[in-house]
Amino acid sequence: GQNIDQPTEMTATEGAIVQINCTYQTSGFNGLFWYQQHAGEAPTFLSYNVLDGLEEKGRFSSFLSRSKGYSYLLLKELQMKDSASYLCAVRVPSGGYQKVTFGTGTKLQVIP
Amino acid sequence: DAGVIQSPRHEVTEMGQEVTLRCKPISGHDYLFWYRQTMMRGLELLIYFNNNVPIDDSGMPEDRFSAKMPNASFSTLKIQPSEPRDSAVYFCASSPRDSPDGDTQYFGPGTRLTVL
Repeated sequence: GQNIDQPTEMTATEGAIVQINCTYQTSGFNGLFWYQQHAGEAPTFLSYNVLDGLEEKGRFSSFLSRSKGYSYLLLKELQMKDSASYLCAVRVPSGGYQKVTFGTGTKLQVIP
Repeated sequence: DAGVIQSPRHEVTEMGQEVTLRCKPISGHDYLFWYRQTMMRGLELLIYFNNNVPIDDSGMPEDRFSAKMPNASFSTLKIQPSEPRDSAVYFCASSPRDSPDGDTQYFGPGTRLTVL
């Protein structure tokens, strides 16, 4: 089976930096996604890592260590609009195709 | 592009009734996914299609659930009979065959289902 762990909730201050961790144990690995989901809305794509290291996209960065089964999403210069759930998802091979399994998400609250 | 379209956006029904959720994927996308999201279980994959063919339905909870994709631009998820525990938000997503970001999935706005 697939197991993906994330903290349930986090709180951070506007303007600060926050790191959201994700650990996974899966049968195979072909990449890791981060999605953002505002309350009452659909998930939207943030980042994709398939190789070890840090990928930076503006205020958001995502890191992957395949040997440790570990990833984090780093959000800099936090804004109130960053209050949302952040979903970690792992892509694994499945019957000749790729299957994506989502974690339960981390609800981030940004406070003034 | 209009993105993934789902209907209805909200559905309230009584236990035992049939419920049909509809999805129109992004044109040109080869993959279509149906998910269910609840507070307790998060986002769960129910079934996905490739080129209109069901590939993996291992996430479909039981025989009361069925999904079809009669053509590349339309899919349905049916629950018959519905039960209160089916109350959730149901998302449809589509993805292109090849993308630089690992088959990124584009989600529709979801259908919020309440079964009384």
